[in-house]
Amino acid sequence: DAGITQSPRYKITETGRQVTLMCHQTWSHSYMFWYRQDLGHGLRLIYYSAAADITDKGEVPDGYVVSRSKTENFPLTLESATRSQTSVYFCASVPNSYNEQFFGPGTRLTVL
Amino acid sequence: QQPVQSPQAVILREGEDAVINCSSSKALYSVHWYRQKHGEAPVFLMILLKGGEQKGHDKISASFNEKKQQSSLYLTASQLSYSGTYFCGTEEGDNFNKFYFGSGTKLNVKP
Repeated sequence: DAGITQSPRYKITETGRQVTLMCHQTWSHSYMFWYRQDLGHGLRLIYYSAAADITDKGEVPDGYVVSRSKTENFPLTLESATRSQTSVYFCASVPNSYNEQFFGPGTRLTVL
Repeated sequence: QQPVQSPQAVILREGEDAVINCSSSKALYSVHWYRQKHGEAPVFLMILLKGGEQKGHDKISASFNEKKQQSSLYLTASQLSYSGTYFCGTEEGDNFNKFYFGSGTKLNVKP
């Protein structure tokens, strides 16, 4: 099916563990994004990518790592999860600048 | 820099109008508006580009005053389906490293 998907949809992990959240889009959009959403903060940009092998930091990148070896995939890794990283994570894609962002369904991550 | 949205919350009766404001202290290239229902992903409503363009989408329209770095979202004759949280997103540059969402305005439309 065409669209943007995220996996897993729900994840519970422990402090200090490595966690990878997956994002996959079928449109071949150039730009992809990772946001986190916390109550009272809205959506905050973690990292974005303008194309395969091109990534850049957003507003809150500390504690996260991204890669983009293929246009359609944009995984987000928490190298050593902390409780403050408990959040809902959204992936999004857009074909180019000044365009609407298409959001995935989100991953709810709980770090105990 | 995160734009400021006002009000933080609005309660309306069906058929009433509402205005949601979004302002930034930085010069803006564009303003985006999204709506998010509880437990779901944000959904795009419209984008306004530099140039003071006003756009409309059914009974939802928006304006962008680039001199004041302000945008307003107008919801007329509100319907129950308009309930949700509305976010503005602002682009300060021509790439996404300066893209910020506001903290949202929660809209509750009652019968």
